[in-house]
Amino acid sequence: NAGVMQNPRHLVRRRGQEARLRCSPMKGHSHVYWYRQLPEEGLKFMVYLQKENIIDESGMPKERFSAEFPKEGPSILRIQQVVRGDSAAYFCASSPPHSSYEQYFGPGTRLTVT
Amino acid sequence: EDQVTQSPEALRLQEGESSSLNCSYTVSGLRGLFWYRQDPGKGPEFLFTLYSAGEEKEKERLKATLTKKESFLHITAPKPEDSATYLCAALSNTGNQFYFGTGTSLTVIP
Repeated sequence: NAGVMQNPRHLVRRRGQEARLRCSPMKGHSHVYWYRQLPEEGLKFMVYLQKENIIDESGMPKERFSAEFPKEGPSILRIQQVVRGDSAAYFCASSPPHSSYEQYFGPGTRLTVT
Repeated sequence: EDQVTQSPEALRLQEGESSSLNCSYTVSGLRGLFWYRQDPGKGPEFLFTLYSAGEEKEKERLKATLTKKESFLHITAPKPEDSATYLCAALSNTGNQFYFGTGTSLTVIP
């Protein structure tokens, strides 16, 4: 059973470009969480999704950030018009339907904005 | 304000020297307390979930305990391969947001 997959692992964008980060959950998992990790800081919750449904987006910045988890395909975290402050590691985690507390993390995408 | 604080920030141990890591939490009704291990350049790896004060969980050289205000991760006779950053997170009853601490970076010296 493959683990959580994220791609790309490293992404470089210039200021003003768009960044798309993908997360494929573990097989059978129906919940996805997205987190941001800045150097010297802890993981910060961004959004919690089930397929075709955003459950909690209280940690998402109000502008430029959006997330989706379609019926088919990976979950996508989209950052429009990136700025230097968006440079961070972005992790997703998936959970099985019977236990949404058990999170299994992917390897992360390291976004660098130049 | 819901938050999680871990101490110490960094810990160096000799191989075989047991110690404990601390995780203090303040959340509006604890639904669960979680421990993870994170290696450099990788995502966190799930270790334990604790749900109520007095609960304990063990896995190899690690044992996690929970009180009403804190959790401890006890490491018995650590080995160099236990070197990693250990993270704890709290989930409150009032939402779906996991609050993570900044971690304890553990180095075990042979």
